Amino acid sequence: DGGITQSPKYLFRKEGQNVTLSCEQNLNHDAMYWYRQDPGQGLRLIYYSQIVNDFQKGDIAEGYSVSREKKESFPLTVTSAQKNPTAFYLCATSRDFYEQYFGPGTRLTVT
Amino acid sequence: QQQVKQSPQSLIVQKGGISIINCAYENTAFDYFPWYQQFPGKGPALLIAIRPDVSEKKEGRFTISFNKSAKQFSLHIMDSQPGDSATYFCAASPIYNQGGKLIFGQGTELSVKP
Repeated sequence: DGGITQSPKYLFRKEGQNVTLSCEQNLNHDAMYWYRQDPGQGLRLIYYSQIVNDFQKGDIAEGYSVSREKKESFPLTVTSAQKNPTAFYLCATSRDFYEQYFGPGTRLTVT
Repeated sequence: QQQVKQSPQSLIVQKGGISIINCAYENTAFDYFPWYQQFPGKGPALLIAIRPDVSEKKEGRFTISFNKSAKQFSLHIMDSQPGDSATYFCAASPIYNQGGKLIFGQGTELSVKP
């Protein structure tokens, strides 16, 4: 938490719709990350960005897209191609590429 | 594939007792091992972290023990309190960092009974 804002806290969408999750930070951290958390499982990395205008796929990038046009912002789009989009989505930032600080999360439900 | 295995899946401890959570990794290509604490509906919070050049690190009631030869590390919570009831995740960061990528364990749900 602290300087990391994720909105909205809860999000509901119909199947087949794209949805964009917001992540904003005022910590001046270079690196930002998106994770997905499913019940009873650890966090899995979707995408990460070390610097503005650059990002890399994580372990489960299929069906997701990101952009990093500003240092403060790293939005995640969950596309209709993502087969099981219902999950808790967490954004994180890092100053030194080691210590990661997480936002409060967005719970997405797709029906 | 790089993996971190965490155990137990759940743990019940009496107030004042010691909680111990273990993690093991399968290769030597990690150089940073953090632990996170997560309360229901919240994002994980960084608790404590260790690098492989030390065998133990203590911060208050929380201690990480690291065994490089066994490829294992563990979290000890001394004098466990009901407020410690949460899910704990271990993680590992690959050598050469790869942009700060973290590999997480599956989590341990800790319940401290009063």
